[in-house]
Amino acid sequence: DTAVSQTPKYLVTQMGNDKSIKCEQNLGHDTMYWYKQDSKKFLKIMFSYNNKELIINETVPNRFSPKSPDKAHLNLHINSLELGDSAVYFCASSRGGAGGGNEQFFGPGTRLTVL
Amino acid sequence: GEDVEQSLFLSVREGDSSVINCTYTDSSSTYLYWYKQEPGAGLQLLTYIFSNMDMKQDQRLTVLLNKKDKHLSLRIADTQTGDSAIYFCAESRGSSASKIIFGSGTRLSIRP
Repeated sequence: DTAVSQTPKYLVTQMGNDKSIKCEQNLGHDTMYWYKQDSKKFLKIMFSYNNKELIINETVPNRFSPKSPDKAHLNLHINSLELGDSAVYFCASSRGGAGGGNEQFFGPGTRLTVL
Repeated sequence: GEDVEQSLFLSVREGDSSVINCTYTDSSSTYLYWYKQEPGAGLQLLTYIFSNMDMKQDQRLTVLLNKKDKHLSLRIADTQTGDSAIYFCAESRGSSASKIIFGSGTRLSIRP
């Protein structure tokens, strides 16, 4: 069974549209994350939630809004998509916080292409 | 990553050892990690080391930490074609170590 799943795997859309990416983990973890990986493979954290509460919010445009309906789900909604939003978005989860030796389990990624 | 640096590429012959290096800047980092990303997949934790350790060995993997120089390395013995991937160094930060900062990744390719 997939531990961290994301949908969709691929997303191609026009500039200006609004889209959502969903993430679910069945590991019983308390903390979930969204990362953005650009074309050069540079990976940067965007958000982190612990038990549905936002604990990390990096310098990300307001067009990006995470939502955690419960601790097993962390969705990412993006308004008014721009060309620069094209990237692979990874969801991850961990038992506790990111540190403390807690392993982060990553989803397979969602490749977003904005035309 | 802005404060975690790695060289972008490494090419080794199959059967040789691979050494991937990483430097970081935050002396308060508590844990340092190596993650592996295979093509089209997410990252997988390979190993991690606590900041008060110098070395950790796990089968073919050896992690060396030089805290004074803020230098971390990953040695893969007897490199195989299945080791081809991008390897990310990462450090945990923050008072509760709540954030992980990733390096830019080193793409390891294996020559026959």
